[in-house]
Amino acid sequence: QKEVEQDPGPLSVPEGAIVSLNCTYSNSAFQYFMWYRQYSRKGPELLMYTYSSGNKEDGRFTAQVDKSSKYISLFIRDSQPSDSATYLCATTGANSKLTFGKGITLSVRP
Amino acid sequence: KAGVTQTPRYLIKTRGQQVTLSCSPISGHRSVSWYQQTPGQGLQFLFEYFSETQRNKGNFPGRFSGRQFSNSRSEMNVSTLELGDSALYLCASSLRGTSGDTQYFGPGTRLTVL
Repeated sequence: QKEVEQDPGPLSVPEGAIVSLNCTYSNSAFQYFMWYRQYSRKGPELLMYTYSSGNKEDGRFTAQVDKSSKYISLFIRDSQPSDSATYLCATTGANSKLTFGKGITLSVRP
Repeated sequence: KAGVTQTPRYLIKTRGQQVTLSCSPISGHRSVSWYQQTPGQGLQFLFEYFSETQRNKGNFPGRFSGRQFSNSRSEMNVSTLELGDSALYLCASSLRGTSGDTQYFGPGTRLTVL
């Protein structure tokens, strides 16, 4: 079992839709949870960062972490075509090594 | 502030050759990590350097090695290239490389092994 499992894609939604992206993890030592966004032929860019359980909101993006169920979510409200990218969940524990989900490719149709 | 830069951006090699990739971190960042990204395995951690010392290592064969210089710039080397080494190699930098330290990625070097 991989340490971080991410819902497989791809995912295609109409513009304006609410998008829900999800990951699960297996290692209880993970404490920091991130979502990275990667456009084609670019490196990943940090989108959201959460420590431990809870919610964090930034504009149209909301990250949720539930450590009791080892579940990580990213919600995108009012999705835009510019949100079309690959989204990667990631986590770290005792050191800086990032463990990633495999990523999901999102396409927002105008 | 300039971001993480990686050179070269694209590289084509043949099996058996070796390759060296370079990474310049964000100014002031002392930790550099390397990741391999493939469609099949996703992003996998290779190793992390801090103050010229390898601090963490992933599950890759010894053909993959790296180093860090006193100015925090880092190189990674892959010897005896195999077809399966074709991937996007990403470098990330952070201030101290501690748990929870935000890592910023470069654009990557796309390596193709023929």
